[in-house]
Amino acid sequence: EPEVTQTPSHQVTQMGQEVILRCVPISNHLYFYWYRQILGQKVEFLVSFYNNEISEKSEIFDDQFSVERPDGSNFTLKIRSTKLEDSAMYFCASSGTFGELFFGEGSRLTVL
Amino acid sequence: DAKTTQPNSMESNEEEPVHLPCNHSTISGTDYIHWYRQLPSQGPEYVIHGLTSNVNNRMASLAIAEDRKSSTLIRHRATLRDAAVYYCILRDWGNNDMRFGAGTRLTVKP
Repeated sequence: EPEVTQTPSHQVTQMGQEVILRCVPISNHLYFYWYRQILGQKVEFLVSFYNNEISEKSEIFDDQFSVERPDGSNFTLKIRSTKLEDSAMYFCASSGTFGELFFGEGSRLTVL
Repeated sequence: DAKTTQPNSMESNEEEPVHLPCNHSTISGTDYIHWYRQLPSQGPEYVIHGLTSNVNNRMASLAIAEDRKSSTLIRHRATLRDAAVYYCILRDWGNNDMRFGAGTRLTVKP
């Protein structure tokens, strides 16, 4: 069964450093998403991406965040200057059309 | 996305049916009802979705009230692996910012 894969599974970084989280969506999917989940809290929408541009973003997705689909297969989330409160599990998801989202297993980010 | 209300937690016994309720009294005509679940230490997983008619798939059944102001996710035989947080989400057609609420934490007892 096709799946969404994310790397790294866990990243530890120092506050102020840049972080890039990578995702390989399911190959024929057109819509891509990033969500985050702070430990013990709910899953929060960050951004959706379609046709090489952001289609929706939440209030969390400020200028510190950016997304890119650099090569037609990867979908990346960049955090420019990490803060302690960015520590969370980050989930990538993709969907073919308006329907079910397929989520990856997540990348755990720890900011020290 | 319009608001949904779910109980914070529910318990079930293994091999018995589970009915997870969701209220969405402000649902609009173009809102689809989606259910996802999140097993411990995993990403969310799609369960089922519907618009007006009841839906069945290999994972569950979705019963939608005639006025669409509520719905119920049904697992016909709970297993221990069904212990998870279940999310009921309204998603407007064409809307790409599907947002999760707090969900219902289901505990399954052996």
